[in-house]
Amino acid sequence: EAGVTQFPSHSVIEKGQTVTLRCDPISGHDNLYWYRRVMGKEIKFLLHFVKESKQDESGMPNNRFLAERTGGTYSTLKVQPAELEDSGVYFCASSQFPENYEQYFGPGTRLTVT
Amino acid sequence: SQQGEEDPQALSIQEGENATMNCSYKTSINNLQWYRQNSGRGLVHLILIRSNEREKHSGRLRVTLDTSKKSSSLLITASRAADTASYFCATEVSGGYNKLIFGAGTRLAVHP
Repeated sequence: EAGVTQFPSHSVIEKGQTVTLRCDPISGHDNLYWYRRVMGKEIKFLLHFVKESKQDESGMPNNRFLAERTGGTYSTLKVQPAELEDSGVYFCASSQFPENYEQYFGPGTRLTVT
Repeated sequence: SQQGEEDPQALSIQEGENATMNCSYKTSINNLQWYRQNSGRGLVHLILIRSNEREKHSGRLRVTLDTSKKSSSLLITASRAADTASYFCATEVSGGYNKLIFGAGTRLAVHP
């Protein structure tokens, strides 16, 4: 069974540019999550999809971040325009059930904003 | 302080020794999960322990959960150099739509 995959593995962009990160969850997992770790701090929750619907987006830092999951399969996270403080590692995770179940993480996308 | 705090922050041991890492949290939880992250790579799920469980084993891993003290421990027995990694605990908060709250992690170094 393929795990959670993320693309790209690393992205370097200039401040003010736009970047789109992609996540492909484990097949059959309706629940998809985005997390990020910035500047060596704790890994923090961004949002949670159940199929194509946003269940919880309480962790999204501001309106420069837009997450989508059209069709309930893969998800994208767009940062526009990127700021220096957005640098970090963005993780995607998926789980089969909505509660009390393991979340499986992808390898992450390292975003560097210069 | 943060939910899901681990201690120690760093741990250095010799191969064959046991490693114990602790995690404390503040709110009611559905479960607590432990993850490992090798340098620069993704998070690998190790074990999940539910709030009504007290102890769980998986291979060389032993996890305990004390909900009265809001704490958990991860024990790695007979450690190997390949166990060198950062270890994170993450709590799924009750009524929190199962988002995970992570601690800062423990960096474990196992020397041959």
